[in-house]
Amino acid sequence: SQQGEEDPQALSIQEGENATMNCSYKTSINNLQWYRQNSGRGLVHLILIRSNEREKHSGRLRVTLDTSKKSSSLLITASRAADTASYFCATDALGANSKLTFGKGITLSVRP
Amino acid sequence: EAEVAQSPRYKITEKSQAVAFWCDPISGHATLYWYRQILGQGPELLVQFQDESVVDDSQLPKDRFSAERLKGVDSTLKIQPAELGDSAMYLCASSPATGARDEQFFGPGTRLTVL
Repeated sequence: SQQGEEDPQALSIQEGENATMNCSYKTSINNLQWYRQNSGRGLVHLILIRSNEREKHSGRLRVTLDTSKKSSSLLITASRAADTASYFCATDALGANSKLTFGKGITLSVRP
Repeated sequence: EAEVAQSPRYKITEKSQAVAFWCDPISGHATLYWYRQILGQGPELLVQFQDESVVDDSQLPKDRFSAERLKGVDSTLKIQPAELGDSAMYLCASSPATGARDEQFFGPGTRLTVL
């Protein structure tokens, strides 16, 4: 079963614009991670935010976490054509067996 | 920069045949994962190893799938016999941490097509 659900399913923007992607989850978590996947390739880790953190930055990426709403957002500022990819949120649920559960992903297209 | 290696990158087989995938994690990473990713979906964990021991194989279809990591380094995932529904991307990942407390490093994947 997939705990995280991303929104929207697909997003198309112009180069230079900001892209905001959302993730909602169902159970309490240790951490939430965002990954990027270029077509036909493996996933690349972008950022990890722990349950006691509210916001993290990494270059042009900004991630927020609201544990009361069980939601997270990923903001990519000043998007580039190279940001075109699928983006996945993954949650590490609280419990004895620590493992990542991925959502279905968001397809981001950045038009040059 | 160290990477997770996987082979083959592509595999086409007929149903009822046996297939095997190989993964070499980043050196020193104790935890190794095999995921299956169906087109348009996120990866789903099949099996997790901590060194040579299986930590979680609850989602592994054990009637046809097997996985091993004999010396706690590289790993092999086998399907016998393959079925049409097994067509997917098979991803290997590794991490230095136990469980999902840290980021995972993914290999390029093996795209399996079952005819």
